[in-house]
Amino acid sequence: GEDVEQSLFLSVREGDSSVINCTYTDSSSTYLYWYKQEPGAGLQLLTYIFSNMDMKQDQRLTVLLNKKDKHLSLRIADTQTGDSAIYFCAEDYGGSQGNLIFGKGTKLSVKP
Amino acid sequence: KAGVTQTPRYLIKTRGQQVTLSCSPISGHRSVSWYQQTPGQGLQFLFEYFSETQRNKGNFPGRFSGRQFSNSRSEMNVSTLELGDSALYLCASSMSGSGDTQYFGPGTRLTVL
Repeated sequence: GEDVEQSLFLSVREGDSSVINCTYTDSSSTYLYWYKQEPGAGLQLLTYIFSNMDMKQDQRLTVLLNKKDKHLSLRIADTQTGDSAIYFCAEDYGGSQGNLIFGKGTKLSVKP
Repeated sequence: KAGVTQTPRYLIKTRGQQVTLSCSPISGHRSVSWYQQTPGQGLQFLFEYFSETQRNKGNFPGRFSGRQFSNSRSEMNVSTLELGDSALYLCASSMSGSGDTQYFGPGTRLTVL
């Protein structure tokens, strides 16, 4: 079945770049998403990439997609303490009818 | 545009009771999906509604049910609550469901004692 894997923790220094990785299994995915969740809050959409793209840049965020290896990454440039949160990778495969498959989330800790 | 709203934000219930949670989607969005988030299982899909019809359902027992109204607002109901139902329940709305970006509400934190 469909599965999305992420490493659970990442710790970086303020000002460094953060790279959060994700692997997925469903080759028919149409869109892949990155969501951010702060403590006690819902999910905030950060960015997404269509499956026929290799890269998407949005201000400090860069998404890279390697379809052959089914690998997705999110790079946050100049990471700030306010970026500390849990980041979820999610895939939306064709015909999913509103069912996003989420990874377990990567907890990003940014040290001053 | 106003975002997705969920009410109530917090609920405390006891085992055996039932609960109803409400979700109002972004204006113009017709698809509403519900998810359960727990520390152990992560985010799990419950069901999706579009134009008052359930189109997709996750692997949850029949105690979990939902409905959608003509204005696209949705409710989910959990009957005969169990301790394991304690979770953050998130709803998300999108234009049509499949292939559309889902926008999430703040969630309802349900605690079952």
